[in-house]
Amino acid sequence: AQSVSQHNHHVILSEAASLELGCNYSYGGTVNLFWYVQYPGQHLQLLLKYFSGDPLVKGIKGFEAEFIKSKFSFNLRKPSVQWSDTAEYFCAVNGDSNYQLIWGAGTKLIIKP
Amino acid sequence: NAGVTQTPKFQVLKTGQSMTLQCAQDMNHNSMYWYRQDPGMGLRLIYYSASEGTTDKGEVPNGYNVSRLNKREFSLRLESAAPSQTSVYFCASRRGPEPLSGNTIYFGEGSWLTVV
Repeated sequence: AQSVSQHNHHVILSEAASLELGCNYSYGGTVNLFWYVQYPGQHLQLLLKYFSGDPLVKGIKGFEAEFIKSKFSFNLRKPSVQWSDTAEYFCAVNGDSNYQLIWGAGTKLIIKP
Repeated sequence: NAGVTQTPKFQVLKTGQSMTLQCAQDMNHNSMYWYRQDPGMGLRLIYYSASEGTTDKGEVPNGYNVSRLNKREFSLRLESAAPSQTSVYFCASRRGPEPLSGNTIYFGEGSWLTVV
């Protein structure tokens, strides 16, 4: 069965620190990969996505993610975080049927001002 | 732009009661989804509808039923609520119905359901 692993359930950083959130998936075929963000009290929003082409994907608010096929990874990065980045971040990958997404458990990011 | 709208936002039910969560999208999307979100478990798919007139079970369908009323609306019904169904429920939609490539999934704001 396919799965998505987000290794860190909670991350606490100070403002201006660099961020990397890990995401690994298990799926042998062609993948589509997503990062969604959920700010406190809000719904999930798409941060960035990878379908094909350049494995380094840039998203909104200065986030980027790199698809490394050999490592089955799609880690999310930001060089300098802000207090407003406090949120929960979800990694997702398309499923066998290609109609669904398989979701990671999420990483709660807290930025200390 | 309304996007995906779901109601109610908050609900408290007693064990055994029934209720329906309503969802509507105004983006002319073909595919709609119901997820539940529980701490430490991410999002789990309850049911989805790839296109109007079709519904399929997701990962955790037990205890739920759905109705794709028309292209815009996709409701989720709990016939006899149980405490294990305490969760946050999200409705979502995407253009579809073709496979996922190229489609972004858009989410509603969530419905907080507590079953006591």
